[in-house]
Amino acid sequence: GAGVSQTPSNKVTEKGKYVELRCDPISGHTALYWYRQSLGQGPEFLIYFQGTGAADDSGLPNDRFFAVRPEGSVSTLKIQRTERGDSAVYLCASSLDPSYEQYFGPGTRLTVT
Amino acid sequence: KQEVTQIPAALSVPEGENLVLNCSFTDSAIYNLQWFRQDPGKGLTSLLLIQSSQREQTSGRLNASLDKSSGRSTLYIAASQPGDSATYLCAVKDDYKLSFGAGTTVTVRA
Repeated sequence: GAGVSQTPSNKVTEKGKYVELRCDPISGHTALYWYRQSLGQGPEFLIYFQGTGAADDSGLPNDRFFAVRPEGSVSTLKIQRTERGDSAVYLCASSLDPSYEQYFGPGTRLTVT
Repeated sequence: KQEVTQIPAALSVPEGENLVLNCSFTDSAIYNLQWFRQDPGKGLTSLLLIQSSQREQTSGRLNASLDKSSGRSTLYIAASQPGDSATYLCAVKDDYKLSFGAGTTVTVRA
């Protein structure tokens, strides 16, 4: 079956602009996660959704970052007033429920110039 | 806060040698531990998942051990091949979130 998909695969934006990153989880997976991977580092947790609600958003770096999952399936990570330090690969994962294995998408590479 | 460390950061071996990759974590109250492979510019491919109650897990040439009490895991790759060249990441799971190490970048020379 289809895995986790993320769009776009690459995004280049200017400092100060707004961006949206999309994640399509595996069908039927109730749990969805966003991670951020900076160059040379492992992924870092950003936010976890159980269904439509954000169960844990403690990893979001500041209030410029926001994520939604309005129908409990597709999720969008939104970044306002982008900064060069936001440049990274943003990874999305989903799982059947929190106790099950997480499956990762290919990521969106965000470059802020 | 869970801290995950991977040593060494990079490793270069000739083809055919066995690989030993180390991972340590600070909080032993984990749900499971997972090893991933990441090729340059690509996403994460899960290799092995070890539940906290297990001591090891095997898949083909890969074997991973887990010593939860000492906060350590080791990934063994037997008879390495050039196609094994990649970055290997370990991650520990507590409740729902994964905490990752920075990875070990492996180069297998033909």
